[in-house]
Amino acid sequence: GQQLNQSPQSMFIQEGEDVSMNCTSSSIFNTWLWYKQDPGEGPVLLIALYKAGELTSNGRLTAQFGITRKDSFLNISASIPSDVGIYFCAGQKFQGAQKLVFGQGTRLTINP
Amino acid sequence: GAGVSQTPSNKVTEKGKYVELRCDPISGHTALYWYRQSLGQGPEFLIYFQGTGAADDSGLPNDRFFAVRPEGSVSTLKIQRTERGDSAVYLCASSPTANEKLFFGSGTQLSVL
Repeated sequence: GQQLNQSPQSMFIQEGEDVSMNCTSSSIFNTWLWYKQDPGEGPVLLIALYKAGELTSNGRLTAQFGITRKDSFLNISASIPSDVGIYFCAGQKFQGAQKLVFGQGTRLTINP
Repeated sequence: GAGVSQTPSNKVTEKGKYVELRCDPISGHTALYWYRQSLGQGPEFLIYFQGTGAADDSGLPNDRFFAVRPEGSVSTLKIQRTERGDSAVYLCASSPTANEKLFFGSGTQLSVL
């Protein structure tokens, strides 16, 4: 099935560094979401974006909904060890049911 | 419990067997979803229930897959004549209403030998 193109696939950084990852699609989405998944757990919602151009923050996390509605990025500032995990973008085409299309994920590893 | 509960957490079966995967959503959540996550991939939508009815089953890969939610709470995903390609983590999620954020369970890891 369709998946969003997410990059990078993996990142190895030092604690305290900033992180940036993005997600692109060939089609338009009306909502963009960013999730984090820890090993053995389901994804947990971090940030939801509802309008083209919207910039939203949640603590050290900042995400933007691209103007074209075909992309989004997530930034994490001043990374800490608990940021380790897999980050997924997800797009929703229509309002209503959460029938989401996910990216392949970005695996974040932090060296203390 | 406080969250979405999925049982079993792990299921190993042989090719050709029938399996059932269970999901207990958060109490009071009317919307329930099944997603499938293959190794190294993001989750893929399978089916969505609003109440007792399957509102959208367009993600089910073929007719070997079926899901029910007879009383509008617990849901069971049923897979007939399992194939090795069915091996994946099957995630269940619920939300208070259809257009609210999803709460995912920890998933059932299905391995078909």
